[in-house]
Amino acid sequence: DAGVIQSPRHEVTEMGQEVTLRCKPISGHNSLFWYRQTMMRGLELLIYFNNNVPIDDSGMPEDRFSAKMPNASFSTLKIQPSEPRDSAVYFCASSLAGSDTQYFGPGTRLTVL
Amino acid sequence: KQEVTQIPAALSVPEGENLVLNCSFTDSAIYNLQWFRQDPGKGLTSLLLIQSSQREQTSGRLNASLDKSSGRSTLYIAASQPGDSATYLCAVKGDYKLSFGAGTTVTVRA
Repeated sequence: DAGVIQSPRHEVTEMGQEVTLRCKPISGHNSLFWYRQTMMRGLELLIYFNNNVPIDDSGMPEDRFSAKMPNASFSTLKIQPSEPRDSAVYFCASSLAGSDTQYFGPGTRLTVL
Repeated sequence: KQEVTQIPAALSVPEGENLVLNCSFTDSAIYNLQWFRQDPGKGLTSLLLIQSSQREQTSGRLNASLDKSSGRSTLYIAASQPGDSATYLCAVKGDYKLSFGAGTTVTVRA
């Protein structure tokens, strides 16, 4: 298995631009998590999907952030418009229902200039 | 809100020395606690998972203990090697959500 796949690995953009991060969970996993990691705040859960349905989006910082999971094998996290304070590493993780183990992707390092 | 603290923030030891990493959490109502390893530019890899009913877990040179009532966990790494250099994060699980500590960055000097 290829594990959780994220793209792009690195993204540099200018303030005000739209940014879309992509995630392919491990096949068969039905829970998906988006996290953000910064030096100041550490690793924070942004949103959690179960069976493609958003269960908890309380960690999404503001309306500029949105996430979708149109099917079991794909999810996106979009930031529109982006701001310099959005610069961070964004991780996607997936797990099997009933399992305590989350498998993390390699992350997308976002830099907003 | 669950607060997870890891001390120390960084640790440098010579090869062969045993490592002791500490994690504390404020809310003892947890389902489990996990220790993760993070290498630079990489994602997180789960090392050990301790259920709330357990006191410890072992895997090779790694041993993790859990004292839920006092809100503490300790990760022991025996006979450290340069390949153990990484950041180690602990995370506690309540319902489905993981709350992470900031991590301890370990450097093992050859």
